[in-house]
Amino acid sequence: QVRLVQVGAEVKKPGASVRVPCKASGYTSNTYAITWVRQAPGQGLEWLGWISANNGHTDYAQSLQGRITMTIDRFTSTAYMDLGSLRADDTAVYYCASFVRGGAFAVWGQGTVVTVSS
Amino acid sequence: DIVMTQSPDSLAVSLGERATISCKSSQSVSYSSNKKNYIAWYQQKPGQPPKLLIDWASARESGVPDRFSGSGSGTDFSLSISTLQAEDVAIYYCQQYFNTPPTFGGGTRVEI
Repeated sequence: QVRLVQVGAEVKKPGASVRVPCKASGYTSNTYAITWVRQAPGQGLEWLGWISANNGHTDYAQSLQGRITMTIDRFTSTAYMDLGSLRADDTAVYYCASFVRGGAFAVWGQGTVVTVSS
Repeated sequence: DIVMTQSPDSLAVSLGERATISCKSSQSVSYSSNKKNYIAWYQQKPGQPPKLLIDWASARESGVPDRFSGSGSGTDFSLSISTLQAEDVAIYYCQQYFNTPPTFGGGTRVEI
């Protein structure tokens, strides 16, 4: 059974960076991708980008270009989302989710709460 | 970017009654070559991540009760809950995955 595990919460000051991990298990091959979606308090869902587990190809939301980086450690099957130059409006729950090529986001992690506050 | 517009924003339905949510895309999210509609529906309960209910506009995920059904093509889609149960209270989101970036509707809150 495919699972994505996210843990904990982070509190950061404005201008700092955050790294959010997402550990995948249950995949028998690298024919999947990890996407990241965030949800600000009381708000809807915002797509941030995705990374292929097969070749590491990434695609990021235009609004976050230059501040966001996604990577995958294939040895530990852990995906990472790094977001820099944090602002108060980056405060949100950050979810990872997995999908296969061309498909919907089938499996979701529990989310990591990131709070940006001085 | 494709804009997804859901209506209504919220919906109050009696137990056992039908709930229907509409989702419109700003351009077609269907490929004529494979006749697929690149629309998904997610259910989100408080404090939980979204859960995929339906993809390809009408294909229920394994384990999703058959009271949930999706329909539509082109730019107009809907999610119906045939007989609302207490556990269906949630926010429902539609999403297009036809184009990058994938985009979500604003959500519809379903209440009893």
